[in-house]
Amino acid sequence: KAGVTQTPRYLIKTRGQQVTLSCSPISGHRSVSWYQQTPGQGLQFLFEYFSETQRNKGNFPGRFSGRQFSNSRSEMNVSTLELGDSALYLCASSFYRVGETQYFGPGTRLLVL
Amino acid sequence: AQSVTQLDSHVSVSEGTPVLLRCNYSSSYSPSLFWYVQHPNKGLQLLLKYTSAATLVKGINGFEAEFKKSETSFHLTKPSAHMSDAAEYFCVVSVGSSNTGKLIFGQGTTLQVKP
Repeated sequence: KAGVTQTPRYLIKTRGQQVTLSCSPISGHRSVSWYQQTPGQGLQFLFEYFSETQRNKGNFPGRFSGRQFSNSRSEMNVSTLELGDSALYLCASSFYRVGETQYFGPGTRLLVL
Repeated sequence: AQSVTQLDSHVSVSEGTPVLLRCNYSSSYSPSLFWYVQHPNKGLQLLLKYTSAATLVKGINGFEAEFKKSETSFHLTKPSAHMSDAAEYFCVVSVGSSNTGKLIFGQGTTLQVKP
């Protein structure tokens, strides 16, 4: 069974631009969560989607948004990029609930210049 | 509020010696607890998971963890370290209701294994 895939793996953007990251969950998984990992703040929860609906959201500004499609693939978007948005963005999937075992993708490394 | 504290940011052991990575949690109810490992430039891999079925949880690659409610701890151990165990380890608690929720990560412990 294929694992969680994330595209692109690496991105370089400049301040003020916007970016869209993509995540394809494991087949059959309907819950997709996004996390931001930085050296200073560690791993922080962004949001979780299930059946195209956002079920939970972390403490991030509205510049961070996401969506989920009917095939459970998910995208996250960051508008008006700031230097502090440079991070590794990880996506994780599970069958139904966050409390189940979550399987993580390799991440997208975003560098904002 | 639920939280996770990893007591050591860096642990160094010699190959073949035991590993102990310490984690304390704070939760108002019986939590789901996890240990994940992250190798350089890789995603996170689940080592083991506690969900109240048994207090001693066995995971992959010889790791295990013991849930101690009285001490609010969930320490990760391995009898004999291998060079390939060098990585970042995260203690994680799942919070929220059964159908919603999020994972809260500890700050991570870097395990160094010396030859």
